[in-house]
Amino acid sequence: DTGVSQDPRHKITKRGQNVTFRCDPISEHNRLYWYRQTLGQGPEFLTYFQNEAQLEKSRLLSDRFSAERPKGSFSTLEIQRTEQGDSAMYLCASSLVGRPYEQYFGPGTRLTVT
Amino acid sequence: GENVEQHPSTLSVQEGDSAVIKCTYSDSASNYFPWYKQELGKRPQLIIDIRSNVGEKKDQRIAVTLNKTAKHFSLHITETQPEDSAVYFCAASRWGSNFGNEKLTFGTGTRLTIIP
Repeated sequence: DTGVSQDPRHKITKRGQNVTFRCDPISEHNRLYWYRQTLGQGPEFLTYFQNEAQLEKSRLLSDRFSAERPKGSFSTLEIQRTEQGDSAMYLCASSLVGRPYEQYFGPGTRLTVT
Repeated sequence: GENVEQHPSTLSVQEGDSAVIKCTYSDSASNYFPWYKQELGKRPQLIIDIRSNVGEKKDQRIAVTLNKTAKHFSLHITETQPEDSAVYFCAASRWGSNFGNEKLTFGTGTRLTIIP
């Protein structure tokens, strides 16, 4: 499968624990986006990278959230001290810098905080 | 920031009939409008998009229209089939500017059900 992949697909954690998700974009794509989707809503933008540079962060991304893309390839999204309100589907998408508007999504990581 | 509203939230259509989903946006600088289809438990998939320099785009049974003056755009699906059943999301964004706002703002989705 040459599409965007995400790991894990499902994560159940207890409130207060830290979790980390990984996204592997399509290999030639240099832009990588993170979105969060709750039930019945559209995806909400969190942050995006061009290569290893983080170009924009949403106000939704509190201090408990951090994202990295250290070598401009895969990215990680970490949530510290999880809260029940963090329960959602976390989607990753990638695109070419020359065609940034065509974003291809991964299958998502479903986070449940108990 | 950009705000995208989408209607209706649910839509049931007899197989073979047409379906229309409408979205409005608030940022007049938005210049790219994609539509995504998301089947249950699956990832959103880009099905068609339109840029602000055209008013209409068609791809087989799917078409999108854009009215920049009114700041609204619509998805039209003709000759609907059961496999068209899914949630459809519109989105808006502005690309190629110095604003740094190159992200998608999504609508709240329309659950389309095709009745056989």
